[in-house]
Amino acid sequence: DADVTQTPRNRITKTGKRIMLECSQTKGHDRMYWYRQDPGLGLRLIYYSFDVKDINKGEISDGYSVSRQAQAKFSLSLESAIPNQTALYFCATSAEGPAYETQYFGPGTRLLVL
Amino acid sequence: AQSVAQPEDQVNVAEGNPLTVKCTYSVSGNPYLFWYVQYPNRGLQFLLKYITGDNLVKGSYGFEAEFNKSQTSFHLKKPSALVSDSALYFCAVSLSTPKIIFGSGTRLSIRP
Repeated sequence: DADVTQTPRNRITKTGKRIMLECSQTKGHDRMYWYRQDPGLGLRLIYYSFDVKDINKGEISDGYSVSRQAQAKFSLSLESAIPNQTALYFCATSAEGPAYETQYFGPGTRLLVL
Repeated sequence: AQSVAQPEDQVNVAEGNPLTVKCTYSVSGNPYLFWYVQYPNRGLQFLLKYITGDNLVKGSYGFEAEFNKSQTSFHLKKPSALVSDSALYFCAVSLSTPKIIFGSGTRLSIRP
């Protein structure tokens, strides 16, 4: 959805490099999420943030860090990229509310680590 | 631990025929259940969700899903498939927090 944008859309990097993936949203949502998608594994949660001052680890946070610069911006960093971090990365947002709030996804960033 | 299973990696259906994409879940408590669809080079899009009440949930693009508590299933259905329904479909479950657990995905292929 255009309401959630991700940059870059595609990225090739080398092992050991630091890279940042950026996410911006115009939906006015407080909650933001980073997922990675691997074939046959579905989406797995890396980090999530319920507001600017609240950041939480997901199920696969090792090797990643995040920054919530503003309500609308949530960045994911790979401090020292490794080949098994090659994946499709998605940012998502949701409104504050109960656990059945719908999540809205960006178009994804395809990352290749050589 | 809560989990979601999509037992079929791929489902192939002829256009005009009914389709079913299967999903089962394992949670302790009352789950909220979702279906999302992913078209090529796009992010996931919300299709429908079960919160409470009527077990038959209707969603976007003519899709519906039936919540079956005794069988712990939430299968996605459509009476008449379209070629444009071809995509990757994800079932997901959530409990008491906004964190969602996704299944591994089922690729739906509709042949003309």
